[in-house]
Formats: sequence, C-alpha cells, structure tokens
Amino acid sequence: QLQLQESGPGLVKPSETLSLTCIVSGGSISSTSSYWGWIRQPPGKGLEWIGSIFYTGNTYYNPSLKSRVTISVDTSKNQFALILNSVTAADAALYFCARGVVGALSHFDNWGQGTLVAVSS
Amino acid sequence: QSALTQPASVSGSPGQSITISCTGTSNNIGSYILVSWYQQHPGKAPTLILYEVSRRPSGVSDRFSGSKSGNTASLTISGLQADDEADYYCCSYEHRSNVLFGGGTKLTVL
Repeated sequence: QLQLQESGPGLVKPSETLSLTCIVSGGSISSTSSYWGWIRQPPGKGLEWIGSIFYTGNTYYNPSLKSRVTISVDTSKNQFALILNSVTAADAALYFCARGVVGALSHFDNWGQGTLVAVSS
Repeated sequence: QSALTQPASVSGSPGQSITISCTGTSNNIGSYILVSWYQQHPGKAPTLILYEVSRRPSGVSDRFSGSKSGNTASLTISGLQADDEADYYCCSYEHRSNVLFGGGTKLTVL
C-alpha cells in the first residue's frame, strides 16, 4: 500500500528558506503513471496546489508561487522535496505531499498526513 | 488566478441529499473533465472521492456522485450520514498546466 510521509522543520524564520521532504513507501517514485505533488493549507483555510513533479524531473508550478518554489526528485531515495524561498507569515501552513495521476494534474489519490510549518522569528 | 467558487457551508438532515456547487471559468471547469472532489475530516488529510467529474475511486460509496454543466461542477451526496460531516473541496485542471482548488464547503449533518 502506497504511503507518503512528509518531514522537515516545523519553524522557519521570515525571509529564510522552507525545505520539506516526502518519503514514498510501498511503491516506486519512478512509476510512469504517477506525478508527485505538494499542496498546502493555511490554518483554518482552504487547499492550495504548490506544484507537481514527474520522476524524470519534469515540473509544474502554481504561477503565483513559481518564482519562489523548486520541487525536485531523488529516485535513489524514493523521495521528493520542496524548497520555498523568502518565506513570509503567509506561508505558514499544513504542507501535504500527494501522489498525482499522469494525465490528470488535479487528481491526487494518495496523501501524506501533512506537516505543520510555522513562520516566526 | 482565483480559486474556484464554492458555498462556504451547506447542511442537511440524515437521509437527505445535498449538492455542493463549484464554479470556475472556461479556462478550467468549462474546458476539461479533470475535476476532482476531496473530503477532509478535521485534523485529517483530504481523501479523493470523485475524479474526472463523476468517477469514484474504489471503495468510495455510490452515495457520492458528480456532474458538470458549463463552468460549474457539482457534488451530490445522497442518503446523508453523520460521518459525511466534513469539509469538501473541488479541484480542477486549468489551461497551461495549472491546478486550482475551491475554497471549500463545510457540510453539517443536522
């Protein structure tokens, strides 16, 4: 059974860089039928797609975040990562990683439990 | 880009049916069948309940159904149960490889 687990620091200082990792188990990140995505949810608010990546490194980003976001994949470790630069209080959120389906960027059928990131000095 | 538009809240009694709308534009819902719906219970990760407008993943109850007309997609839950009380989010593919979520709808089972 496919499982995803986010990890990373729970606190980031304003203007610094947020780095998260998602470890995939129970399946291969090199699956040709899967995208791997990041979605976030500010406290008490709705979901926001950050971006998705294919195992080859092909990426798709939310236009509103594109200038600050990098998503990468490490097939040897079966994991993918999110880097968000120059964070502000608005980036405080519960960050989820999820499996997406090739051919349907909006289709996420497996989610991690989420990791909470606060932004504060 | 703007999020898809959903009602903030809906409610219904056990056994009744409710419908949640999700309005977008011709750049997203109006042009693609790539509309999905997610259920999120408090403190939990979202789970996929519909994809490609009306298709159900294995294990999802047939009480959940979906449709689309023009720029608006809809989720209908029939035979409401207490456990259906949750937040529901629509999601759509948009032109040029973008993904939009709706603002979410809180379903209360009275």
